[in-house]
Amino acid sequence: GAVVSQHPSRVICKSGTSVKIECRSLDFQATTMFWYRQFPKQSLMLMATSNEGSKATYEQGVEKDKFLINHASLTLSTLTVTSAHPEDSSFYICSASGTGGGADTQYFGPGTRLTVL
Amino acid sequence: AQSVAQPEDQVNVAEGNPLTVKCTYSVSGNPYLFWYVQYPNRGLQFLLKYITGDNLVKGSYGFEAEFNKSQTSFHLKKPSALVSDSALYFCAVSSSLNTGFQKLVFGTGTRLLVSP
Repeated sequence: GAVVSQHPSRVICKSGTSVKIECRSLDFQATTMFWYRQFPKQSLMLMATSNEGSKATYEQGVEKDKFLINHASLTLSTLTVTSAHPEDSSFYICSASGTGGGADTQYFGPGTRLTVL
Repeated sequence: AQSVAQPEDQVNVAEGNPLTVKCTYSVSGNPYLFWYVQYPNRGLQFLLKYITGDNLVKGSYGFEAEFNKSQTSFHLKKPSALVSDSALYFCAVSSSLNTGFQKLVFGTGTRLLVSP
């Protein structure tokens, strides 16, 4: 139980384009989803938190207009990197917590490697 | 404010020997403590957690951790290491004072290398 998927696992795009990453909770309802960014050999940096049906809460220093987050249902959240640039290249990981998986525990997706050329 | 310290960047241990990965924390309120493992180019896998109850917590793959309130520590342990345990381990903390969702603060990670 408590499985979280992410799609795509890897994406390469040109500078200036937008990229959408999906995060799904497969066997539980995710009342809250989190988006993290991880740089090579570093820890996870929380970007934003989203609750189903409401606006995301962004961490300080994260551009809301650049990293658009939508949490339209209890099983799906999306992160859209708009007008991507090479400095946005990173490993993006989502996590989810909810009634089925335990509200006190975050379960993580496998991550998405974004490379912006 | 919450914080987590993992003092060792890397831990080396021979297969079959016991392993310990250290973690200390600082929170206001009661701590909620977690251990996650990350394999290369993968997300984090949940290993175990301490919320309340017994100080010794048993988790996946034979791992366990002991909550020590006086030392504010939550070290990860395993009696007999396997080569397949080699990975990056993260300790994370949240607080009982967090309202709504549980925001985790992660340590910097400890790379565990188990040699055959």
